[in-house]
Amino acid sequence: DAMVIQNPRYQVTQFGKPVTLSCSQTLNHNVMYWYQQKSSQAPKLLFHYYDKDFNNEADTPDNFQSRRPNTSFCFLDIRSPGLGDAAMYLCATSSTGTGYYIQYFGAGTRLSVL
Amino acid sequence: AQTVTQSQPEMSVQEAETVTLSCTYDTSESDYYLFWYKQPPSRQMILVIRQEAYKQQNATENRFSVNFQKAAKSFSLKISDSQLGDAAMYFCAYRRKQGGSEKLVFGKGTKLTVNP
Repeated sequence: DAMVIQNPRYQVTQFGKPVTLSCSQTLNHNVMYWYQQKSSQAPKLLFHYYDKDFNNEADTPDNFQSRRPNTSFCFLDIRSPGLGDAAMYLCATSSTGTGYYIQYFGAGTRLSVL
Repeated sequence: AQTVTQSQPEMSVQEAETVTLSCTYDTSESDYYLFWYKQPPSRQMILVIRQEAYKQQNATENRFSVNFQKAAKSFSLKISDSQLGDAAMYFCAYRRKQGGSEKLVFGKGTKLTVNP
């Protein structure tokens, strides 16, 4: 089945130690998103790629970076994780070729910062 | 800026009963999309139902239906014959129609508990 896959499902890192979360998709969608979701809150968009074009949200901290080497993969890099960065990170995709621009989500990576 | 409000942080329903989750939004756009997403515990968020603003007919997907009141900017979700598997966090979301990669604006969510 075509899907959005996030690895790992759970990630533990130390305060200040860089960490990378990955997302891959078999939907061949041209748009990929990264959301941060803290406990019992709505997902908060960090940034998205429209094809190769990177679009950062105005309030996304500089500590968060992203890479999209090809259509299928997208990475979220946290350069120096703080305790406040502990959250669920969701990857989503959409296609501008479909009528509803529905976003398809991965299962998420839960990041713990020790 | 568009906003989405879900006024019910938590709701509960008995199995096989019907429950309605509320959502209101604020926008100056005339055409847009509205969505309900379901996020079960520790599982991925999935689309439950969608509505295009220009369509007057309320969307229906099996046991899920919406009551879309455009003038009132209201978009409620009705779940009929509730099942234990319906227990989840439900998010209402808005998306502008213009543009290719417009972000979803989410409400804060409603946690639905289904009691056996």
